[in-house]
Amino acid sequence: ENQVEHSPHFLGPQQGDVASMSCTYSVSRFNNLQWYRQNTGMGPKHLLSMYSAGYEKQKGRLNATLLKNGSSLYITAVQPEDSATYFCAVDFSGTYKYIFGTGTRLKVLA
Amino acid sequence: SAVISQKPSRDICQRGTSLTIQCQVDSQVTMMFWYRQQPGQSLTLIATANQGSEATYESGFVIDKFPISRPNLTFSTLTVSNMSPEDSSIYLCSVEPLAGSSYEQYFGPGTRLTVT
Repeated sequence: ENQVEHSPHFLGPQQGDVASMSCTYSVSRFNNLQWYRQNTGMGPKHLLSMYSAGYEKQKGRLNATLLKNGSSLYITAVQPEDSATYFCAVDFSGTYKYIFGTGTRLKVLA
Repeated sequence: SAVISQKPSRDICQRGTSLTIQCQVDSQVTMMFWYRQQPGQSLTLIATANQGSEATYESGFVIDKFPISRPNLTFSTLTVSNMSPEDSSIYLCSVEPLAGSSYEQYFGPGTRLTVT
């Protein structure tokens, strides 16, 4: 069964800290991994795309690494507006069908 | 980028009734997807809706319960039929990545459904 797990489930860093979260996956076929963030009451918004083990991507204060069966996401100098739920999603089909994890809920303390 | 709207944004429905959710995209796309997100949970793919063909349903979801229409390249509907309280969820549509967008999927804002 395809599945994605997140760690930790909840993160509460102080403003200015580095927030670190990760996901691990077990899928029948790996095509790519995406990171999304979701604010309450809204649809997920795409952050980063990852393609193969060892792949690293930086975008602003976001930094992600793709490992053999997972991915890590770091957010540097977190701000209150970074508070959201962060999901990774794995394409297990090669046809844009994604399985999402349960996410890491980030709440930045001012 | 693609802009996606959904109607209604939320609804409260009685058990046994049906609700049709609309998804409108501001550009033509081949593939549209419908997801369900139960409160505090992850997104689960219901089906893929391609224009001109029958929707493809994922394991655990059937056409009789979740009929889907895809009349053109910018619009799709999902109907939640014969609703029960277990159908209370957020329903989201998304569209395939745009050419050259690195697999980025765009999501609508969601429809929050409460079944009483």
